[in-house]
Amino acid sequence: AQSVTQLGSHVSVSEGALVLLRCNYSSSVPPYLFWYVQYPNQGLQLLLKYTSAATLVKGINGFEAEFKKSETSFHLTKPSAHMSDAAEYFCAVIGSTSGTYKYIFGTGTRLKVLA
Amino acid sequence: GAGVSQSPRYKVAKRGQDVALRCDPISGHVSLFWYQQALGQGPEFLTYFQNEAQLDKSGLPSDRFFAERPEGSVSTLKIQRTQQEDSAVYLCASSQTGASREKLFFGSGTQLSVL
Repeated sequence: AQSVTQLGSHVSVSEGALVLLRCNYSSSVPPYLFWYVQYPNQGLQLLLKYTSAATLVKGINGFEAEFKKSETSFHLTKPSAHMSDAAEYFCAVIGSTSGTYKYIFGTGTRLKVLA
Repeated sequence: GAGVSQSPRYKVAKRGQDVALRCDPISGHVSLFWYQQALGQGPEFLTYFQNEAQLDKSGLPSDRFFAERPEGSVSTLKIQRTQQEDSAVYLCASSQTGASREKLFFGSGTQLSVL
């Protein structure tokens, strides 16, 4: 069965500092991995996705993630944090059962950006 | 429509009441998912529709939960005899086809509070 684990439920960074949000996955098949962001009182929005093409995936708002099979990781990074990046971030993997599929989400990491 | 619309935005129910939560997906989207997001947690899968067919309901926590999408567009999640543990945000998401690597478009959710 597929699953994801997000290390650190809360991360604080200073404005302009590197953002690193960690995600490790478990999958018996080549995984499809995603990062979603949730701003307060809004639905989740897709940041980026990995579907077995390039291992370094670039997303919106300057975020990127690198798929590392040897480490079973898909960490999210951004070189320089902005105040507007403060939100909750969810890593997700596609899981499939009986011919259908579903997104399996991690527990989330709340990013705080300090002025 | 322009996005996934959910109503009501907030619902307060007395324990034992029945509730119905509505989801209007993006017009023409084939796939529709319902997720439950408890406070401080990631979204947990409830059920999945492809057009009007409910292909996976393995995440529904009990037989008090029922979902339908009779014409392959609007979906309703019904919870009978609500309990306090049903308090959560209920998220609806849709995608264009039935392909598993597709981006999900999420609604803002319905926050259910059971007193």
